[in-house]
Amino acid sequence: GENVEQHPSTLSVQEGDSAVIKCTYSDSASNYFPWYKQELGKRPQLIIDIRSNVGEKKDQRIAVTLNKTAKHFSLHITETQPEDSAVYFCAASRGAAGNKLTFGGGTRVLVKP
Amino acid sequence: DAGVIQSPRHEVTEMGQEVTLRCKPISGHNSLFWYRQTMMRGLELLIYFNNNVPIDDSGMPEDRFSAKMPNASFSTLKIQPSEPRDSAVYFCASTFGQGAHSNTEAFFGQGTRLTVV
Repeated sequence: GENVEQHPSTLSVQEGDSAVIKCTYSDSASNYFPWYKQELGKRPQLIIDIRSNVGEKKDQRIAVTLNKTAKHFSLHITETQPEDSAVYFCAASRGAAGNKLTFGGGTRVLVKP
Repeated sequence: DAGVIQSPRHEVTEMGQEVTLRCKPISGHNSLFWYRQTMMRGLELLIYFNNNVPIDDSGMPEDRFSAKMPNASFSTLKIQPSEPRDSAVYFCASTFGQGAHSNTEAFFGQGTRLTVV
């Protein structure tokens, strides 16, 4: 089955700096890679996703890159703000019936004002 | 739509008791997932259903755990008997998917925080 590794497990950045989280996956058939943000005590919510036919996608201060050959993808947050503090999860899915999502272990991001 | 609805939000039970967690997916979604979240193990997929049929239950820890989806709008996760190590937040999520290239966003419920004492 799919295995998703995520690094780092914790990340502390100064407000205004960039944050980068990296994930690797094992199943070459995976074709959908979402990122979820989970604030303390809340549910995970999708912030951005990328499909295997695209190498990069950007939404305001958030961008995701995908390298299918190397089987890794990354989340980039620029100009970090205190409200970016949360746990971020990457996930991978091969898109077969059910769209089973396998999650990485999560990265706790702390943005220091 | 109110989103994915889970009940109860919090559950405290004594070891050995039966616990039933409930989930109502978003109307029209055809896949439903049960996840368990702990600090040590992160988000673990327990089981998922597609069109009400269990597809993969390899994440169910042991026979004490069972899940059902009698119809498209309701699913339960049951633990019998419960143990302290089952304490965690249990999330239900739903999505719509059809075919190999139709991945869509998974929407999570607010979770059930289970404490077994």
